[in-house]
Formats: sequence, C-alpha cells, structure tokens
Amino acid sequence: AQRVTQPEKLLSVFKGAPVELKCNYSYSGSPELFWYVQYSRQRLQLLLRHISRESIKGFTADLNKGETSFHLKKPFAQEEDSAMYYCALRISSGSARQLTFGSGTQLTVLP
Amino acid sequence: DVKVTQSSRYLVKRTGEKVFLECVQDMDHENMFWYRQDPGLGLRLIYFSYDVKMKEKGDIPEGYSVSREKKERFSLILESASTNQTSMYLCASRGAIGNYGYTFGSGTRLTVV
Repeated sequence: AQRVTQPEKLLSVFKGAPVELKCNYSYSGSPELFWYVQYSRQRLQLLLRHISRESIKGFTADLNKGETSFHLKKPFAQEEDSAMYYCALRISSGSARQLTFGSGTQLTVLP
Repeated sequence: DVKVTQSSRYLVKRTGEKVFLECVQDMDHENMFWYRQDPGLGLRLIYFSYDVKMKEKGDIPEGYSVSREKKERFSLILESASTNQTSMYLCASRGAIGNYGYTFGSGTRLTVV
C-alpha cells in the first residue's frame, strides 16, 4: 500500500531563512504528488502539484523518483508562511483516485 | 464563493448517539471524500464516493457509514458514537476530469462525551 512520510512534526525557522519541508513516499507505480497547506482558521487548500512544476508563493517542490521524495522548499521564509503543510500522494489507479496524506508539518516562521 | 459546505462547525454528542455529518458541494463534482484530521496522524480517509449511490471504504471505515443519494450531498454517519471518534472531520470533493486538486470544506469539530 502507498504511504507518505513527513518526518518533522514541527519546524521553526527565522524570517528570511531558507526552509525545506521533507516528504518521502512509498509507492511502486507512477505517483502524483501534491502539497496542501492549512493556514490558521482556514480551509485546507492546494499549494502545488508536481505535474505542473509551478512555483506558488515562492515555494517549489521537485519529485525525485530515485529518492522517492517530494520536498517543499522556499529560499526566504516569510511570517505569513506559518501554517500546517501536508504532503499527499495519489496513485494512478483506483475508482476516485483518492489522496493519501502524510501526518503534516507545522511550520513556524519567527520574526 | 463557498463551494463545499459542512453543515456544522462544532458538534458535541454523547457516547452511543447516532451522528450525522453533512457535506454539500455546488461544483457538480463526481468524487466526494470524508477524512478525519488528528494531530500527529494527518488526514486519514474514512470513505469516499465516485458517483451517486456508490461508496468505497477508505483506510479507517470502522464505526462509520456514508450515504450519497444525490450528487451534491455526501453524509457521514457514526452509527454509535464513541469517545475515540472525537476529531476534526473534513469533507472534500473533486471533479472526474482535468481537476487534480481537492476542494475542502471548513471542517466539523466533533466531540463525543
């Protein structure tokens, strides 16, 4: 079965510092990877997906199939980036192609 | 602008009660999902539905059932609530074609006492 691992429950960085949120997955097929974000008192929302290779709010993530990783990176963290971040995996089969989420990383950007 | 609506933000129920959590989406999405969100465990899939009257078990279906009588509505049912079902419940929907992201509701915080 597929699995998503986010090894850090909590991560704190200072404003302006680089930040990397780690995500590793296990799946034998061809995965689709996503990052979701939940700001305080807001709904969970899609941040980015690997298939579009986009940069959203300064964040990027590269799928590394060799290391089965999809780490989220930002070169200069901002206080408004403080939030809970979830990595998610969708497998290529299945009736609804449902997402499997990691346990999440709470990012705090300190002033 | 709200597209996925969960009927209650907070609920307090007693052990043994039958509990209904309602979710409605206005995007004509085929797929709907129920997750529970717990600290340190992330989001775990309870049930999902890919069409009206169709449902499939997720990773943690025990103690839950669902109903999808209309395309826009997906209900989660706790047959006999227990304290270990105290959690945040999130509903999400997704279209069948060309839409990779989920749209989430604002969540229902259920406390079972």
